[in-house]
Parts: sequence; C-alpha cells; structure tokens
Amino acid sequence: GESVGLHLPTLSVQEGDNSIINCAYSNSASDYFIWYKQESGKGPQFIIDIRSNMDKRQGQRVTVLLNKTVKHLSLQIAATQPGDSAVYFCAERSTNAGKSTFGDGTTLTVKP
Amino acid sequence: NAGVMQNPRHLVRRRGQEARLRCSPMKGHSHVYWYRQLPEEGLKFMVYLQKENIIDESGMPKERFSAEFPKEGPSILRIQQVVRGDSAAYFCASSPLAAQETQYFGPGTRLLVL
Repeated sequence: GESVGLHLPTLSVQEGDNSIINCAYSNSASDYFIWYKQESGKGPQFIIDIRSNMDKRQGQRVTVLLNKTVKHLSLQIAATQPGDSAVYFCAERSTNAGKSTFGDGTTLTVKP
Repeated sequence: NAGVMQNPRHLVRRRGQEARLRCSPMKGHSHVYWYRQLPEEGLKFMVYLQKENIIDESGMPKERFSAEFPKEGPSILRIQQVVRGDSAAYFCASSPLAAQETQYFGPGTRLLVL
C-alpha cells in the first residue's frame, strides 16, 4: 500500500546552521508533494510544495528537492532559527485526489 | 481574511457519548477535508467533502463516524458512542478546488474520551 515515511524522527541543529529533513514515498502515482510545519498545539502550516514535473523549488529560506527516481523528497532550511523548531511533515497527493498521505514527522530542535 | 475555523478546540466526552466537531472553511473554499492525528503520529485522512457531497470517505471508520458539509453552515464530523481510542486531534482543512490546490488547516479539535 502507499506510504510516506521519514528517515529520521528527530533532528537537532545549531542556530544558524542549515537543516535537511528527508522523506521517502512509495506511491509512484503521486505527483504533488507538500511540506508542513506543525508547532505544538497547532494545526499543520503549509511551507512549500512541488509538483512532479519539477526537481527543485525555492521559497524564503526553504528549498524542496524531489528525486522521482528514488522516490525521495527533502526540505532544506537555510540559517535555521529557534522559531523553526517544530515537527515537519511531508505529504503526497495524486492528481485529482483530495486525500493527502502524511509521513509520521521529523521533530526539528534548534539549539541557540 | 479568516483562516479555517474549528470548534470546539477541546472536547471531553465520556465513553458512549456523542462528539460533534465543527469546521468552517476559509472564505471562498468549497472543499473540506478531515484528518485525525494520534499522539506522536502523522495525520491520517478520513474524509473529503464538497458542499452537500461526500467525495471520498475511504479513511472513515465504517461505524460510528459520519461527516457532512451542508449547503449552509459548517462541516460537521460526528462520532457516536465514543470510545477511548477515539481520543485524538481532529484537523479540518479546506481548499478552493480539489486536486491542484493547497489544503489549509485549521487549529484542530482535541478530543479526550474518559
């Protein structure tokens, strides 16, 4: 069955360093991928997305990379700040499907 | 421009009672999605609705759970005869269109079944 998984459950980085959070997916039909940030007690917050016809997409301090060959997705956060501390989820969808499939999340802790 | 609204934010029920969770989508959004999140886990899809229609309920338990999105008013997720295993955070998301649009999430309702 389809699944989305994360390689590491926790990640601790020093403030100012770059962070890389990885995600593997198994559904070859997925063509839309999203990264969400979830702070304690809150709902998931959209960070950045990428469609399967792209390999890379950049936002403000964040970059998402997509490798369809190995079904791998990564989120890079530049100059990580304490406010970036949260749980990060990747999610995938297939065209015309409303359902998003989420991974279990990576907890990012930023040390001052 | 208000985001997705959910209420109540916290709900406590005893086993056997009913829980009603409400979700008002963002203005202009006609598609609603419900997800459940157990502690230390990711979100699991439950149901996708448009106004007056259930589009995909593949993630909904077959018994005790139902959802609706009427022509007027919020979307409702209803859990009858709650059990302790229903304790979780329930999130609603909305989008203007379905397949190609970002889903924006509400703050969630945290259900505790005693």
